[in-house]
Amino acid sequence: EVVLTQSPATLSLSPGERATLSCRASRSVSAYLAWYQQKPGQAPRLLIYDVFKRATGIPARFSGSGSGTDFTLTISSLEPEDFAVYYCQQRSGWPATFGQGTRLEIK
Amino acid sequence: QVQLVESGGGVVQPGGSLRLSCVASGFAFATYGMHWVRQVPGKGLEWIQFIRSDETEKQSADSVKGRFTISRDNSRNTLYLQMNSLSLEDTAVYYCTKNRDSVGSYAGPFDIWGQGTLVTVSS
Repeated sequence: EVVLTQSPATLSLSPGERATLSCRASRSVSAYLAWYQQKPGQAPRLLIYDVFKRATGIPARFSGSGSGTDFTLTISSLEPEDFAVYYCQQRSGWPATFGQGTRLEIK
Repeated sequence: QVQLVESGGGVVQPGGSLRLSCVASGFAFATYGMHWVRQVPGKGLEWIQFIRSDETEKQSADSVKGRFTISRDNSRNTLYLQMNSLSLEDTAVYYCTKNRDSVGSYAGPFDIWGQGTLVTVSS
């Protein structure tokens, strides 16, 4: 099983700042890495898949990068609606696994 | 619009059974692999089961293997999760979700999610 470790656990930033979230895999997942956003009381929403591809309707301020075992989600300039929990997920093999999440909170 | 709607959650005693349903609309359900993902309240996401579009392949997390069974009825656009031998650790919100790409046996990405249904295992 591929273990995904996200850091930091909590990130405190202000609107307008740049956010950088990390996800490290216990072994290579090639380019099969996705990012999801989840707000309280809501289902997760797909943001980024296959490392850098934005899902339908996702704003350009969200971008993904990385390869192999180290991946990054960047939000270029935080909007108030971006404060949420973010999860990475790999699909390189079974079982599919998620990271434990990074909580992005307003400073 | 594209939608997944779960139902069937509720309170069940340890050792009991429950069947969840997920009705799909707005897309060609029969051509997409489908999954169940759960989330303990306040905790992270856990993938639990997958079924290929044509039912020729299923995958399961070890935590539910042998107790949970995923199935689908493509004529009814419905995904199911039969949960047996439930334990306290199975208390969670259960989401159905679909693969972004049709056909195939992909472990994601998951582009459409239902609103979730809460299963509470309690004596």
